[in-house]
Amino acid sequence: IQLTQSPSSLSASVGDRVTITCRASQGISTYLAWYQQKPGKAPKLLIYTASTLQSGVPSRFSGSGSGTDFTLTISSLQPEDFATYYCQYFASFPITFGQGTRLEIK
Amino acid sequence: EVQLVESGGGLVQPGGSLRLSCAASGFAFSDSYIDWVRQAPGKGLEWVAHIRDKVYSYSTEYAASVKGRFTISRDDSKNSVYLQMNSLKTEDTAVYYCARDGGKWSFDSWGQGTLVTVSS
Repeated sequence: IQLTQSPSSLSASVGDRVTITCRASQGISTYLAWYQQKPGKAPKLLIYTASTLQSGVPSRFSGSGSGTDFTLTISSLQPEDFATYYCQYFASFPITFGQGTRLEIK
Repeated sequence: EVQLVESGGGLVQPGGSLRLSCAASGFAFSDSYIDWVRQAPGKGLEWVAHIRDKVYSYSTEYAASVKGRFTISRDDSKNSVYLQMNSLKTEDTAVYYCARDGGKWSFDSWGQGTLVTVSS
């Protein structure tokens, strides 16, 4: 399974609504997770099974999709949201990640 | 609090070996599956290896890029997972993270990472 994220990078402003897309090379039901990674830090789980918010993650983050097309949406960007985001497929091996989407301040 | 702490990284020559450790605390380690994920400098995340628990006979999975060179193992008495890396190549240079399989088709906890540099 290959995962392709778009865009690879994105510039946005505080308060903007942002959507990142992840497309799988074949249907994967809802076996998709999203992570946030800040420079020099480990990734942090945001969403699992495509749309379930991990405990402690702000509700401005949401996920949707099934099959081959998935989205991560941040409803109103906050300064701490500027980071790189990765999608991940986990239901079988090899586990795969998307190439990442770098979210930068405009 | 769930905690994973990696150690053992460093500088090694091509063809050399290194053993990474991941010490776990704050959860039922013996019941958990643990993975290694790496990130080359300036690059994305790459899954490396997976180990299951005693119920599944500590069975393992590997990425094609490391199969036959890396070995994942665990010692439940020490709450630790290891990654033995042999025949290292320059392209193995990366930060190596251990991560817990949260049982929800995702990694819910990660260590801080340990840097492995393969260079002559």
